[in-house]
Amino acid sequence: ETGVTQTPRHLVMGMTNKKSLKCEQHLGHNAMYWYKQSAKKPLELMFVYNFKEQTENNSVPSRFSPECPNSSHLFLHLHTLQPEDSALYLCASSQDPRGSYNEQFFGPGTRLTVL
Amino acid sequence: AQKITQTQPGMFVQEKEAVTLDCTYDTSDPSYGLFWYKQPSSGEMIFLIYQGSYDQQNATEGRYSLNFQKARKSANLVISASQLGDSAMYFCAMREVSGNTPLVFGKGTRLSVIA
Repeated sequence: ETGVTQTPRHLVMGMTNKKSLKCEQHLGHNAMYWYKQSAKKPLELMFVYNFKEQTENNSVPSRFSPECPNSSHLFLHLHTLQPEDSALYLCASSQDPRGSYNEQFFGPGTRLTVL
Repeated sequence: AQKITQTQPGMFVQEKEAVTLDCTYDTSDPSYGLFWYKQPSSGEMIFLIYQGSYDQQNATEGRYSLNFQKARKSANLVISASQLGDSAMYFCAMREVSGNTPLVFGKGTRLSVIA
């Protein structure tokens, strides 16, 4: 199995819809991350979970709601999104978020389009 | 303040030639790590190479090497013998240890390898 998987790969939703993005890692890592990648902008960290506990929330609007039921799974629940939320959402995992060597393994991303 | 600066939005290189992608960083933390990632059109971020701030030698991984100049705060990626499959976005990233900060990414450089 590939290290980090994400589903769905593509998602189109209306502003009133509720949807969820799923991420699963098969690497035995302890930390998982959600990133947003918009066109012509740097990768933006959204959330960090370490041992299922949220350790970072980068002022993300409440219409994005993360959930981490265990160290292998991470969800991003979406509701009442705006067109400017259209982006590539990347999930990543790492062994330990501390220390300088924190190689993160990324999933293929979910390309989200909000109409 | 921008932590990671990649000044080249796009680069072209002839197949089999070497190319250098620039990255400068800003930190007051004496302990940090520098990373380069490749993002092909498929979207997945692929880890390429890592350099720790206390590493005495420049990191190398196959055709990738990191030209680490600590005093200048630069960490340029050198790709030797470019291949068509190297065409992708390349991101430089940094993690500061003392502040326990997550990875911060630059805006990226789009590399196009031409036959």
